[in-house]
Amino acid sequence: DAKTTQPPSMDCAEGRAANLPCNHSTISGNEYVYWYRQIHSQGPQYIIHGLKNNETNEMASLIITEDRKSSTLILPHATLRDTAVYYCIVTGNNNDMRFGAGTRLTVKP
Amino acid sequence: GAVVSQHPSWVICKSGTSVKIECRSLDFQATTMFWYRQFPKQSLMLMATSNEGSKATYEQGVEKDKFLINHASLTLSTLTVTSAHPEDSSFYICSARTTGVYRKAFFGQGTRLTVV
Repeated sequence: DAKTTQPPSMDCAEGRAANLPCNHSTISGNEYVYWYRQIHSQGPQYIIHGLKNNETNEMASLIITEDRKSSTLILPHATLRDTAVYYCIVTGNNNDMRFGAGTRLTVKP
Repeated sequence: GAVVSQHPSWVICKSGTSVKIECRSLDFQATTMFWYRQFPKQSLMLMATSNEGSKATYEQGVEKDKFLINHASLTLSTLTVTSAHPEDSSFYICSARTTGVYRKAFFGQGTRLTVV
């Protein structure tokens, strides 16, 4: 079973920030939070991951709460090409990667 | 990011035949690779985890004699669907995980298998 809970779908206006939440209340101390996205009929694309500090890269920012029980992926300026299913995964370095249902983000013009 | 190449991207085969899917990490070594199956409008389902040089670990309900996994090198894993049937038609995706402290898994582009 997936260790994360995400809303099934979200909409976002083009050019606005997309904030995708993820609950992972059973996360353990050595587990990381990973975010991937999947555009239709393609393999998932790595976005970002973190342990406990907030992280930022060229694609997105990851905000992890202090108790690590939830996180938010932020796409600062969403474009139509960001329409995809976004998956939040919690796993350790030596553990497998299991996908939940994810959030289907639709960016609208 | 690192590149994982999966081949073929699509294949059509006759019922009863076998199909091999290759997964290569092109610019990094991967001691661990994952194989997933995805049905339409569903999430990825983990089928098995393979570690280089050892037998794969299969998820419950996945037949190891039907889905043969070989991870003979640090850059190549193969999945062979043996005696394929129409119900095996699906989107198969591989993933390779980097080594080191901050590990990431990168995914292939997937293989669309259609068994007729």
